[in-house]
Amino acid sequence: EDQVTQSPEALRLQEGESSSLNCSYTVSGLRGLFWYRQDPGKGPEFLFTLYSAGEEKEKERLKATLTKKESFLHITAPKPEDSATYLCAVQARGNNDMRFGAGTRLTVKP
Amino acid sequence: GAGVSQSPSNKVTEKGKDVELRCDPISGHTALYWYRQSLGQGLEFLIYFQGNSAPDKSGLPSDRFSAERTGGSVSTLTIQRTQQEDSAVYLCASSLALEGEQFFGPGTRLTVL
Repeated sequence: EDQVTQSPEALRLQEGESSSLNCSYTVSGLRGLFWYRQDPGKGPEFLFTLYSAGEEKEKERLKATLTKKESFLHITAPKPEDSATYLCAVQARGNNDMRFGAGTRLTVKP
Repeated sequence: GAGVSQSPSNKVTEKGKDVELRCDPISGHTALYWYRQSLGQGLEFLIYFQGNSAPDKSGLPSDRFSAERTGGSVSTLTIQRTQQEDSAVYLCASSLALEGEQFFGPGTRLTVL
């Protein structure tokens, strides 16, 4: 069965303190791995899609990387507005659904 | 442009009542998904529609849950004889195709008393 595990559950950083969020997955044939950001009371907002091991994508202070077993979301010099829950999801070949992790709740203090 | 919209934003109902939740996907998006997000939990897939194909209902938790999509656009998720464990945020998402990022609506927060 496809599984997605995110760690840590919660992360508190000082503004400017870089760190990484982890997404470990098991899937029978990866179609894509997705990162989303979710603010309280809102639906998830798409950040990145990664399709194959070795792929990297960047957007502002965020950089996502992918291996055959896990993905990292690196946050460089975060700001308070980066505070949110970050969700990872995988989609397997032949499946219609996406399997989501429970998320990492990030708090960046000024 | 207009994103995915959902209504109502909040719904409080009594145990045993039926509820209908509505989703308006982004125009032109052929794929539509329903998810459920319970407090502190990840998103749980419920059902998927792609064009005119038969929906993938593999995620529906019981036969009290059903969904339809009329004219390949608007979708309605119906929960019959609601139970307290149905309380959650119900999220709808749409995408251009099966492969590709999903765009989410703001969700409907359902509370069953």
